[in-house]
Amino acid sequence: AQSVTQLDSQVPVFEEAPVELRCNYSSSVSVYLFWYVQYPNQGLQLLLKYLSGSTLVKGINGFEAEFNKSQTSFHLRKPSVHISDTAEYFCAVSSYSGGGADGLTFGKGTHLIIQP
Amino acid sequence: GAVVSQHPSRVICKSGTSVKIECRSLDFQATTMFWYRQFPKQSLMLMATSNEGSKATYEQGVEKDKFLINHASLTLSTLTVTSAHPEDSSFYICSASGTSGVSQETQYFGPGTRLLVL
Repeated sequence: AQSVTQLDSQVPVFEEAPVELRCNYSSSVSVYLFWYVQYPNQGLQLLLKYLSGSTLVKGINGFEAEFNKSQTSFHLRKPSVHISDTAEYFCAVSSYSGGGADGLTFGKGTHLIIQP
Repeated sequence: GAVVSQHPSRVICKSGTSVKIECRSLDFQATTMFWYRQFPKQSLMLMATSNEGSKATYEQGVEKDKFLINHASLTLSTLTVTSAHPEDSSFYICSASGTSGVSQETQYFGPGTRLLVL
């Protein structure tokens, strides 16, 4: 079984300030890690993913995340946020089998609020 | 690339009726499709996984007779909510993964379907 914990349900940040959204996971097997963003009344858009290799991954819209196996974390960061980054951010994990993707286990989400 | 569509985007129905939601992969072949449910201000919960040509695998607690899933082709999966009741009102989101031209470990999400049962 897997679980994902997003410690902050809501993060207010001033525009152009840096932000970090925290994500910790628990799994008895190796996993893939993802961050998705959801704008109001829309589906999910993939921000970035960690499958293997370099632990620092860069995604779209200036976001990056670092996989830390010892701390079982995958925190999302952006050095300077914009008003348009206001959205719900979900961290997710999936185990993998030889056939490809398995179902995702999501965290409860973090609502990023950008203040002018 | 890797576009997934859903239809309808919004549906309102009377209690006791059935509603069908379509999920299509537009530019890749989706060997696996997933259905999720999201309640207001909550996270997504996996309902079922379907592989083309096979029966869907449902998560614990999801009624397979109530939520019928069909994955008849590599580009189409449908979710039918049978005898819908107000407690079935939710946001239903599908995702798809494939093996050709897309990252097979990644799920690509549709825009979601908001179901309201009166």
